[in-house]
Amino acid sequence: GIQVEQSPPDLILQEGANSTLRCNFSDSVNNLQWFHQNPWGQLINLFYIPSGTKQNGRLSATTVATERYSLLYISSSQTTDSGVYFCAVRTGGGNKLTFGTGTQLKVEL
Amino acid sequence: DADVTQTPRNRITKTGKRIMLECSQTKGHDRMYWYRQDPGLGLQLIYYSFDVKDINKGEISDGYSVSRQAQAKFSLSLESAIPNQTALYFCATSESDGRLPPGELFFGEGSRLTVL
Repeated sequence: GIQVEQSPPDLILQEGANSTLRCNFSDSVNNLQWFHQNPWGQLINLFYIPSGTKQNGRLSATTVATERYSLLYISSSQTTDSGVYFCAVRTGGGNKLTFGTGTQLKVEL
Repeated sequence: DADVTQTPRNRITKTGKRIMLECSQTKGHDRMYWYRQDPGLGLQLIYYSFDVKDINKGEISDGYSVSRQAQAKFSLSLESAIPNQTALYFCATSESDGRLPPGELFFGEGSRLTVL
């Protein structure tokens, strides 16, 4: 099956710093989503981005499907950005969303 | 109110007990899913349903069963819970407009299950 690798696995930032999270995948995809799992376990949809670039406030994402990667940018990070960021992809006509193992982000004051 | 609601949010039970997790949605989506998350890991698909008459096994369906009572309701059952089913369980929905693949997934808030 498709492999989804996220980097870095862990990241500690000072409040106000910027960061880039990466998601590499091993096969063509037709669905890619970024999620934020907050410390209470809730999964929050960030982006549905099988290709192209999207922005939402301090967050933006870019997927280059032909090169099999996606990037999530967090600017001016805040402590509320802490948690785990997951990339998830779907291939072909399948119904399974395959998740990466996540990037654990901690934003400190 | 959340568009995808799971109950209970937290449950502690004993080995051998039957447990049901319920999911209801107000998004009007045809497709519903149950995922499991173990600590420090991503999510794995247990079962999914395209409509009330369509139920499909995911990658880790052993030990679980599901029921799609209506378009808006999809429940997950553990007939005889065991400790390694301790996990965080998520229900999700996606729309179906006749095209493949299905689109964006929307998740419920999760149900934390502990089996002693």
